[in-house]
Amino acid sequence: EPEVTQTPSHQVTQMGQEVILRCVPISNHLYFYWYRQILGQKVEFLVSFYNNEISEKSEIFDDQFSVERPDGSNFTLKIRSTKLEDSAMYFCASRAGAAGELFFGEGSRLTVL
Amino acid sequence: GNSVTQMEGPVTLSEEAFLTINCTYTATGYPSLFWYVQYPGEGLQLLLKATKADDKGSNKGFEATYRKETTSFHLEKGSVQVSDSAVYFCALLISSGSARQLTFGSGTQLTVLP
Repeated sequence: EPEVTQTPSHQVTQMGQEVILRCVPISNHLYFYWYRQILGQKVEFLVSFYNNEISEKSEIFDDQFSVERPDGSNFTLKIRSTKLEDSAMYFCASRAGAAGELFFGEGSRLTVL
Repeated sequence: GNSVTQMEGPVTLSEEAFLTINCTYTATGYPSLFWYVQYPGEGLQLLLKATKADDKGSNKGFEATYRKETTSFHLEKGSVQVSDSAVYFCALLISSGSARQLTFGSGTQLTVLP
């Protein structure tokens, strides 16, 4: 069964370092998303991406964040200069069409020290 | 704005007990409602959904009914199993132009003991 895959499963980094989280969405999907969940808190929407551009972003998604689909298969989330409060589980998701089911990856846990 | 309020956990039940996890929502317009489940070490999986008032979503013995009058979408299961131990998230979806986004509740940890 096709699935969304994310790497790394866990990354530990120092504050101020750049981090790239990688996602491989399901191959025929067109809509891509990043969500995050700070430990013990809600899953929060970060950004949606369609047709090679950001369609919507939340107030969390500031200038420190960027997304890219560099090669037609990967979908990456970059945090330019990590802060302690960026420590969270980051979920990638994709869907085939605007009304289709959203499929989530297993998440990448980011720990910023 | 849109929000989802879920019953706080953790919830611990014995096998074969009845489960209810409460979920209420606030939304502009008419949202679709979802329950997602996250088993240990896995991603979020769609458990069930309902797209309009009075719809009942069901899957794997779980049920939830979209109640517009009480703005609720409570999750129920008549007899839980150890394998149901997971975190359960209630969510709503509002269409927003060409993009869509889910608003999640905080999640409820369920542990079922043998």
